[in-house]
Amino acid sequence: GAVVSQHPSWVICKSGTSVKIECRSLDFQATTMFWYRQFPKQSLMLMATSNEGSKATYEQGVEKDKFLINHASLTLSTLTVTSAHPEDSSFYICSARSPEGRYNSPLHFGNGTRLTVT
Amino acid sequence: AQSVTQLDSQVPVFEEAPVELRCNYSSSVSVYLFWYVQYPNQGLQLLLKYLSGSTLVKGINGFEAEFNKSQTSFHLRKPSVHISDTAEYFCAVSDRIKAAGNKLTFGGGTRVLVKP
Repeated sequence: GAVVSQHPSWVICKSGTSVKIECRSLDFQATTMFWYRQFPKQSLMLMATSNEGSKATYEQGVEKDKFLINHASLTLSTLTVTSAHPEDSSFYICSARSPEGRYNSPLHFGNGTRLTVT
Repeated sequence: AQSVTQLDSQVPVFEEAPVELRCNYSSSVSVYLFWYVQYPNQGLQLLLKYLSGSTLVKGINGFEAEFNKSQTSFHLRKPSVHISDTAEYFCAVSDRIKAAGNKLTFGGGTRVLVKP
């Protein structure tokens, strides 16, 4: 089945530094990927929709200059948290639509990245 | 816009007992419905989905869910749980309109703790 790989699985960084998270579709091409954020014991909140070859679409309230998304190829999307602060500490999860590409096809999720900013 | 409410934030249950996780949604348009499971420090895995047809949907790991349009519900059930079913469960909906881009709206999650 469709596999989405996310790297790193966890990262600790100092306040003020930037962190890049990668999301790869291993056995299919994904023109659209989604980035979610999950706080402890809470649900997933969609941050942005990543579109291959074009700018990402951010949800209301998400700072696009802080959370940079690049979808340079059909198998890779990256999320860069710039000038990270402790409040950015969270669990970040990416997902990609199934190869069929239909709007009712389920999403496949990566295993998430736990970011801790000290 | 849609919203999803999972009525129980935590559900403790004994091993081999049945479990039901409640999910209600609100939407101005028709939706697709999904249940996902999340194990600690992992992403989400699809349990089952309702797109159309039979309102009783069977998924992986012995789970099933029933779509009730009049009650706008999509409750998840399993007749006999195992210790390995301890996890967080999320109900989600997406808009049937293609232009909406298949965005998922998630409920708050229900943490299932299976006790021996």
